[in-house]
Amino acid sequence: GEDVEQSLFLSVREGDSSVINCTYTDSSSTYLYWYKQEPGAGLQLLTYIFSNMDMKQDQRLTVLLNKKDKHLSLRIADTQTGDSAIYFCAEEVAGGYQKVTFGTGTKLQVIP
Amino acid sequence: DAMVIQNPRYQVTQFGKPVTLSCSQTLNHNVMYWYQQKSSQAPKLLFHYYDKDFNNEADTPDNFQSRRPNTSFCFLDIRSPGLGDAAMYLCATSAGGLGPSFGEGSWLTVV
Repeated sequence: GEDVEQSLFLSVREGDSSVINCTYTDSSSTYLYWYKQEPGAGLQLLTYIFSNMDMKQDQRLTVLLNKKDKHLSLRIADTQTGDSAIYFCAEEVAGGYQKVTFGTGTKLQVIP
Repeated sequence: DAMVIQNPRYQVTQFGKPVTLSCSQTLNHNVMYWYQQKSSQAPKLLFHYYDKDFNNEADTPDNFQSRRPNTSFCFLDIRSPGLGDAAMYLCATSAGGLGPSFGEGSWLTVV
């Protein structure tokens, strides 16, 4: 079955880079996603990567995928206070009728 | 404009009193999901529809039911809410490979 793990908390200074890590267990993942959730709100899709890619860059966001180690990371360059939120990784597995399973979430705190 | 709309945003119900949460979408996506999220924990998938095919998670309690009368609407019915069912319920839709698009969520309080 799917199991997606993240570290619970990350604190960075404004202007520094943030790196949020995620590990997953299902090797049949097709897509992997990063979502952002601000307090009291729904989840906002930030970016995604297809499982046959190693890296994807989208403005300040860089996603790295190590499929061998089942490790996914999200790097946020020049982190701003508005980036403070909870970040969830999620995986979509093949043959699961597009079932998407979420990680435990990482709370990012940006210190001014 | 919001494309996945959940109603109500906030619902207070009495212990054991049935409650229905609704979700509508303007995206014409074939997949619709219901997730339960407690206290900033990971959203937990309750069930999802792939078109009309209903996919229930093995650990979703029987107390939770769902209906999808057409492509645009999906409902979550909680037959006898308990205190442990207080949570935010998130509806999402997907066309496959683009990542589910979420509504703003419905907060359920059980008193």
